[in-house]
Amino acid sequence: DAGITQSPRHKVTETGTPVTLRCHQTENHRYMYWYRQDPGHGLRLIHYSYGVKDTDKGEVSDGYSVSRSKTEDFLLTLESATSSQTSVYFCAISESTSGQPQHFGDGTRLSIL
Amino acid sequence: EDKVVQSPLSLVVHEGDTVTLNCSYEVTNFRSLLWYKQEKKAPTFLFMLTSSGIEKKSGRLSSILDKKELFSILNITATQTGDSAVYLCAVLREYGNKLVFGAGTILRVKS
Repeated sequence: DAGITQSPRHKVTETGTPVTLRCHQTENHRYMYWYRQDPGHGLRLIHYSYGVKDTDKGEVSDGYSVSRSKTEDFLLTLESATSSQTSVYFCAISESTSGQPQHFGDGTRLSIL
Repeated sequence: EDKVVQSPLSLVVHEGDTVTLNCSYEVTNFRSLLWYKQEKKAPTFLFMLTSSGIEKKSGRLSSILDKKELFSILNITATQTGDSAVYLCAVLREYGNKLVFGAGTILRVKS
């Protein structure tokens, strides 16, 4: 299994509170990604990183921010959580863009009440 | 807008049956197509297909890509209950290493 750890694994919080999810990798891969998975939508890319302090938006980035201060850690922050952000969040890593597949963490189930 | 469509959305088969899962796509700057299997947690990588007509095989699973007609199929022969999962198709775009996913096919194999 790819060395990817997501924390927390489950979280319940209230609308309007800030939330930070962490993805930690031990593979020293350059690329890291945050996805959300909702019924009927598959996985959708929120943000990704192509190096330390290098990040870019995905298709559903509104309401989310990310930071990557070290190769091994990629943080996803919901500044002011809304109920529409209730979802399962997956982190993924890949070694390069030259055809290497992305490998996924076990996910964080986030419920916003 | 990039689009990946999987069919059927779900199916139920009996052990020993053969199943074919479909994935069609409309994606700019196509690089390759990937299949993942998702049980309760993380999607796990099955295949990556880049060239048309070349079958990839792993045990009872196989997959092929048609870049002219913009689709791929995933075949599972002699299905087992352990094959029960959601199968995800995703297309990798040429720039940015971004994956565009389909909604998935839910497969249930009954004993």
